[in-house]
Amino acid sequence: AQSVSQHNHHVILSEAASLELGCNYSYGGTVNLFWYVQYPGQHLQLLLKYFSGDPLVKGIKGFEAEFIKSKFSFNLRKPSVQWSDTAEYFCAVIPFSGGYNKLIFGAGTRLAVHP
Amino acid sequence: NAGVTQTPKFQVLKTGQSMTLQCAQDMNHNSMYWYRQDPGMGLRLIYYSASEGTTDKGEVPNGYNVSRLNKREFSLRLESAAPSQTSVYFCASIPRGGAQSYSTDTQYFGPGTRLTVL
Repeated sequence: AQSVSQHNHHVILSEAASLELGCNYSYGGTVNLFWYVQYPGQHLQLLLKYFSGDPLVKGIKGFEAEFIKSKFSFNLRKPSVQWSDTAEYFCAVIPFSGGYNKLIFGAGTRLAVHP
Repeated sequence: NAGVTQTPKFQVLKTGQSMTLQCAQDMNHNSMYWYRQDPGMGLRLIYYSASEGTTDKGEVPNGYNVSRLNKREFSLRLESAAPSQTSVYFCASIPRGGAQSYSTDTQYFGPGTRLTVL
């Protein structure tokens, strides 16, 4: 079955530390890739997405992600985190099967940033 | 422009009770979705609606029914609630609809409904 794996369920960092959250997917065909963020008490918002072209994608709030097709990965990065980045981060995939637009989510990674 | 709204925000039910979760969007979107979010499992698709008048099952449809009342509204009904349905429920929408794949559309999410079934 198609799946999305996020390697870290909980990450704790100090402000100014660098962040990398791992995401791997199991679908072998063409995929569209997304990272969503859920701040405490808020709904999910799109951070960034990749469809084609440059595999290094830049999103909002200084986040970026790199698509590595050979590794089936789409890792999220930020050079220097802030306390306001405390949130839960979800990687999601839409396998391009010609069927309907269905997001498959990973389990999420909770990030806590300490001042 | 409120985006996607959901009511209620919180609900506590007893086993066997029924209730309907409401979702509405004011963005003139065609497709709408219902997800449940459980700890350690991410979001899982319950049902979706590609257009007004059509609905289809997602990954975890058992125990739920849906109604696409009109283009704006997509409700989720629990006929006989069970403790396993304790979860946070999210509604989402995308601009396009129909039977084709619009896999590049960003999904817009509502604020969620936290449901507890005792």
